[in-house]
Amino acid sequence: AQKITQTQPGMFVQEKEAVTLDCTYDTSDPSYGLFWYKQPSSGEMIFLIYQGSYDQQNATEGRYSLNFQKARKSANLVISASQLGDSAMYFCAMREVYQAGTALIFGKGTTLSVSS
Amino acid sequence: DVKVTQSSRYLVKRTGEKVFLECVQDMDHENMFWYRQDPGLGLRLIYFSYDVKMKEKGDIPEGYSVSREKKERFSLILESASTNQTSMYLCASSLVNTGELFFGEGSRLTVL
Repeated sequence: AQKITQTQPGMFVQEKEAVTLDCTYDTSDPSYGLFWYKQPSSGEMIFLIYQGSYDQQNATEGRYSLNFQKARKSANLVISASQLGDSAMYFCAMREVYQAGTALIFGKGTTLSVSS
Repeated sequence: DVKVTQSSRYLVKRTGEKVFLECVQDMDHENMFWYRQDPGLGLRLIYFSYDVKMKEKGDIPEGYSVSREKKERFSLILESASTNQTSMYLCASSLVNTGELFFGEGSRLTVL
């Protein structure tokens, strides 16, 4: 079963509009961390935002905010006032515990296209 | 500035060849990771290492091995490359307790 689910393969938005990228996760661990990364067409992976499961408030970083709904196991990324440079692939990820360490597991990604 | 460097951006190899993908980080991070990225599948974890000479299998280790002889260097090895290993390979590193990954630019491997 998928641990991280991103159900939107592609999203389209106009400049200056807000957009929400969906992410749901599955874990039985009470302590976990959720991440969002951006991958522009150039290919580099850019860290955007982090939410810890015990954080009392939703994480925010500039125009990015994370709509964290613990009971629903969702961690949606909200981008306010979209810009052309926001066009990219976006990945949601969760810290997963393996036998001797932890690693991030990723969803399949959502491609965001911003038009003028 | 943090830096993860992958030795080759593009490689073309023949089926059956042994392939080495090298990754070096200059941040003194304990953890290093290899992922492969395929369209529609996202990033999938191949192997990771939490210390020198220590390694752990990720979700898709079959057909791959790794080596970490020094803290800063993590190598991914394809013992006998196959066409289904054509992919983008991403190396990353992190501090042991934070989880945030710092990625290299990726190595696009084509196996003919």
